[in-house]
Amino acid sequence: NAGVTQTPKFRVLKTGQSMTLLCAQDMNHEYMYWYRQDPGMGLRLIHYSVGEGTTAKGEVPDGYNVSRLKKQNFLLGLESAAPSQTSVYFCASSGAPGLSSYNEQFFGPGTRLTVL
Amino acid sequence: AQKITQTQPGMFVQEKEAVTLDCTYDTSDPSYGLFWYKQPSSGEMIFLIYQGSYDQQNATEGRYSLNFQKARKSANLVISASQLGDSAMYFCLKGQNFVFGPGTRLSVLP
Repeated sequence: NAGVTQTPKFRVLKTGQSMTLLCAQDMNHEYMYWYRQDPGMGLRLIHYSVGEGTTAKGEVPDGYNVSRLKKQNFLLGLESAAPSQTSVYFCASSGAPGLSSYNEQFFGPGTRLTVL
Repeated sequence: AQKITQTQPGMFVQEKEAVTLDCTYDTSDPSYGLFWYKQPSSGEMIFLIYQGSYDQQNATEGRYSLNFQKARKSANLVISASQLGDSAMYFCLKGQNFVFGPGTRLSVLP
C-alpha cells in the first residue's frame, strides 16, 4: 500500500497562475482533507470531504477550490495564485468516525508551493 | 471557532527523562477525539496517540501516554524516557472539527 500520495512534491508559480494539487489514497478512506502549514506554525484546514462527491470548507478556504469526483482522489485547485499562498500543503485521509470514536488521519508527504 | 492551545512554544528535556507537553481545547461537543502528531525536521506527520472523550482510561502507546482531564479540557502528552530521536514538533489535534494547535518544539539534550 502506498498510503497517501501527493503530486507534485515541489512547485513554483508566478502570481496569477493556476494549478491543481492531486492527492490519492489507497486505504478506501471516506474522509479526506487539505491543510496548509506556514513556517513555524501548525496545520490549518483548507477544505475537507466526507465522501465521494462531497466537499466542505475548513478554517482557511478562500482562494482554493476542491473536488472529490472519485473516492480515492481529492484535488486542490488554486485559480489565481498569490504570494500569501506560499506554504506547504498536506493532504490526509481517515476512516469515517464511529459512534464515539474518531480515526487517525494518515498524511501525505506534503507539497512545497512557492508563489513569486 | 473552537481553539486548541499549546502554551509551550519550545521545551527542552534531558535524554532518558520524562516530559509533558500541554494541550488545552475549547469545545461544546459532547463527543470528540484528541490526537497527537509528531513532525520531525524531515516534515512528515506521524500519528502518536489518540484519546476519545468517552474513554474511561487514559490512552497509552509505548512511551507515549495521555494525561486526559475532561473537566479541565486538557489532553497533555507525556513522553517517558526521552530519546534523541524524539526531538521534533508536536501537535495536538481535535477531531470533530479538525483543528490543530500551534505546536511545541521539543529538543532532547544528550
